[in-house]
Amino acid sequence: EPEVTQTPSHQVTQMGQEVILRCVPISNHLYFYWYRQILGQKVEFLVSFYNNEISEKSEIFDDQFSVERPDGSNFTLKIRSTKLEDSAMYFCASSGGGQETQYFGPGTRLLVL
Amino acid sequence: AQSVTQLGSHVSVSEGALVLLRCNYSSSVPPYLFWYVQYPNQGLQLLLKYTSAATLVKGINGFEAEFKKSETSFHLTKPSAHMSDAAEYFCAVSFYGSSNTGKLIFGQGTTLQVKP
Repeated sequence: EPEVTQTPSHQVTQMGQEVILRCVPISNHLYFYWYRQILGQKVEFLVSFYNNEISEKSEIFDDQFSVERPDGSNFTLKIRSTKLEDSAMYFCASSGGGQETQYFGPGTRLLVL
Repeated sequence: AQSVTQLGSHVSVSEGALVLLRCNYSSSVPPYLFWYVQYPNQGLQLLLKYTSAATLVKGINGFEAEFKKSETSFHLTKPSAHMSDAAEYFCAVSFYGSSNTGKLIFGQGTTLQVKP
């Protein structure tokens, strides 16, 4: 069964450093998403991406964040200068359409020290 | 604006007992509603979804949920809890329309504990 994969599973970084979180969506999917879950809090939408551009972003997704689909398979989330409050579990998801089921990856746990 | 409220951050049931996890939503347009489950150290797995067809939706692992527009609710039930049901459960809302990007708005989550 196809699945969304994410790397790395865990990442520890120093405040101010750049991090890139990687995702491989399901191969025939067209819509891609990033969500995050701060420990003990709800899962929050960050950004949606379709047709090689951002289709919607939340208030959390400020200029420090960017997304890219550098090739036909990867979907990345970059945080330019990490802050302590960026520590969270980051989930990638993909779907075949805007109204179709989103399939989630296992997440990347980011810890900013 | 859309929002989701899950009543009860922790629910504890005995094995074999009824599971009831509550979810209420707020949406200015007809919603799509979802229940996802998260097992420890894993991603979110779809249990079931409502997309304006039948109001009683059956999902995986014996779970079902009923969409009640008058109550703006989408409670999740399972007649008999199993130890393997212990996990975090998330209710989420989206909506259909030309501007839909598929963004999911999640509730706070409910941790289900199943006691032997």
